[in-house]
Amino acid sequence: DVKVTQSSRYLVKRTGEKVFLECVQDMDHENMFWYRQDPGLGLRLIYFSYDVKMKEKGDIPEGYSVSREKKERFSLILESASTNQTSMYLCASSFRVVLVLGTDTQYFGPGTRLTVL
Amino acid sequence: AQKITQTQPGMFVQEKEAVTLDCTYDTSDPSYGLFWYKQPSSGEMIFLIYQGSYDQQNATEGRYSLNFQKARKSANLVISASQLGDSAMYFCAMREGNSGGSNYKLTFGKGTLLTVNP
Repeated sequence: DVKVTQSSRYLVKRTGEKVFLECVQDMDHENMFWYRQDPGLGLRLIYFSYDVKMKEKGDIPEGYSVSREKKERFSLILESASTNQTSMYLCASSFRVVLVLGTDTQYFGPGTRLTVL
Repeated sequence: AQKITQTQPGMFVQEKEAVTLDCTYDTSDPSYGLFWYKQPSSGEMIFLIYQGSYDQQNATEGRYSLNFQKARKSANLVISASQLGDSAMYFCAMREGNSGGSNYKLTFGKGTLLTVNP
């Protein structure tokens, strides 16, 4: 079974703090993703990585950065947390090279509910 | 224009009955994939079922089946014999382009909240 884990289920931070959200997958997936989920807005892609040290901006990268030093780990960094970054953050991973259609399915972690006060 | 439309914000179903959750999509790419995910109140997104644009048959996974009508651009999820544990948010998503490679991006609908009544 695919397992994607996230470092915290709940996190409370103060405005201006630097925040690290960690994600680890054990399926040797090349692709890893960070999304945020807000009521009425659905899931929105923040950043994507298709290989170690490689990253691409998603739809809403402003205020975020990422780090991928190892294949299994993908970190989301909030350099200076703000209240509008209070949200549910979801990490996902998938294969990049597929031999069977559909096996690029993205598998998600349990999510981190971040509150910025 | 929205690429994925789920018109039912909420649905109710009696336990043991079947329910259909609607999803329509918009793409001009001949190659695409459609996914359904379930999100319980705990927050985790659970993959349920996949349908490729070239698949001749509707996808099925246990109690889940996908009613794929390509000409109408609809990919409705059918859950048979509903259980209380099926109560959750359900999301339809689409990946445009061929599987794998750089065509990674999933576009999600806004979701449908399903409540199963005993």
